[in-house]
Amino acid sequence: ETGVTQTPRHLVMGMTNKKSLKCEQHLGHNAMYWYKQSAKKPLELMFVYSLEERVENNSVPSRFSPECPNSSHLFLHLHTLQPEDSALYLCASSQDQLAGVGYNEQFFGPGTRLTVL
Amino acid sequence: AQTVTQSQPEMSVQEAETVTLSCTYDTSENNYYLFWYKQPPSRQMILVIRQEAYKQQNATENRFSVNFQKAAKSFSLKISDSQLGDTAMYFCAFMGVGSQGNLIFGKGTKLSVKP
Repeated sequence: ETGVTQTPRHLVMGMTNKKSLKCEQHLGHNAMYWYKQSAKKPLELMFVYSLEERVENNSVPSRFSPECPNSSHLFLHLHTLQPEDSALYLCASSQDQLAGVGYNEQFFGPGTRLTVL
Repeated sequence: AQTVTQSQPEMSVQEAETVTLSCTYDTSENNYYLFWYKQPPSRQMILVIRQEAYKQQNATENRFSVNFQKAAKSFSLKISDSQLGDTAMYFCAFMGVGSQGNLIFGKGTKLSVKP
């Protein structure tokens, strides 16, 4: 596998279920991101991990819980979701984005299409 | 807070012709980066082109070029010699120099290239 991979690609879950999304990057990066892409809305950054530490959390509801066990893996644990959480969830990775120092391109995975019934 | 606006939800162009996608943004920062990303149907988002705000020269990548007007806070993408493979959603994005990789996206423009 190369680049950024995400599993599963599609997920349907009920509001009372607990599920997890997985992201894996094979690029040697040390920063990873979760984005939410909803219809008719801009992509929204949810979480940023740099060197396995969470550095940004854009006021995401607690029913979304990220986990970054190492620099290659990122999870998004889901529980008691709402129908409005249905969206495409994208993972991305990059070299650590040191504040004020240049720019490191983010590489995106194919996404997980989540449907909450 | 920064915002990015793409005023064209959908556009179409004939193969081999040129098309321009519009993007405006709002920020109080002086140093930042601007990007155009491409998301083909059911495929991964990829970076098309990038512009550093401190550079006056417009960025160019093969058939893709930008018109960066810093004072007007405008960042349009021109695609020359359009190809069928250019059919995709195109997203304009902003990132402040001091942010932790926080990309702020517009809503996107759906471009269809017709044979």
